[in-house]
Amino acid sequence: GNSVTQMEGPVTLSEEAFLTINCTYTATGYPSLFWYVQYPGEGLQLLLKATKADDKGSNKGFEATYRKETTSFHLEKGSVQVSDSAVYFCALRGPGANSKLTFGKGITLSVRP
Amino acid sequence: GAVVSQHPSWVICKSGTSVKIECRSLDFQATTMFWYRQFPKQSLMLMATSNEGSKATYEQGVEKDKFLINHASLTLSTLTVTSAHPEDSSFYICSAKSDGTKDGYTFGSGTRLTVV
Repeated sequence: GNSVTQMEGPVTLSEEAFLTINCTYTATGYPSLFWYVQYPGEGLQLLLKATKADDKGSNKGFEATYRKETTSFHLEKGSVQVSDSAVYFCALRGPGANSKLTFGKGITLSVRP
Repeated sequence: GAVVSQHPSWVICKSGTSVKIECRSLDFQATTMFWYRQFPKQSLMLMATSNEGSKATYEQGVEKDKFLINHASLTLSTLTVTSAHPEDSSFYICSAKSDGTKDGYTFGSGTRLTVV
C-alpha cells in the first residue's frame, strides 16, 4: 500500500536559517505529492503540491521537487521566519478519482527570533 | 474561502462515556467528509469517509459501532466515540471535499481527545 515517511522532529531553527524537511514515499503508480501546513489553532492547509516527476511545487518561499528516482519530496526554504512555526505534513494521493490522501507523521517546526 | 469549523478543540472524558465531535462547513456544502485520527508520533490515518445522507465507509480495522459517524446534512458531520477508553485518546481531524481549494479539501482544526 501507499505510505509516507517524514524525518523525526521536532525541528528548532533560528530566524533566517535554511530549512530542509525530508519526505520519502512508497506508492504504486504515479501519485500526486503534497505538503500541508497546520498553524496553531487552525486546520491543515495545502502549502504546495506536485503532480508528476520533476515538477517543483512552490509557495510562500517554500519549494519541493518530485523526485521519482529517489521517491522523495523534500521541503526546503532558504530563510525561515518566526511565522513559519507550524506543523508540516507530507502526503500523497494515488491516481484515480476516488483515491485517498495518505499522510506522514508531521513534523513540528519552531523558529526562534 | 472554504472553512470547516470543528468543535470541540479539546475534550477530556471519563472511561465509558461517549464524546461527540462536530464538523461544520461554514460557507459551502460538504457532500463528502473524511475523518482522520492521529496517535502520538504516528501518521494521520483515515478512519472513515461519509457522504451526506448515506452510511459511512470505514477503513479496515476501524470499529463502526464504536466510532459512529452521522452526516445527515450538507453542512454538518459528527463523529461520536462511544464507550471511550484511554486507548481512544488521540487527535481527530475532519476534512471536507470542497471545490473552492486547490487540492479539493478543507480541514478542520482538530480535536484532542483524552480519556481518563
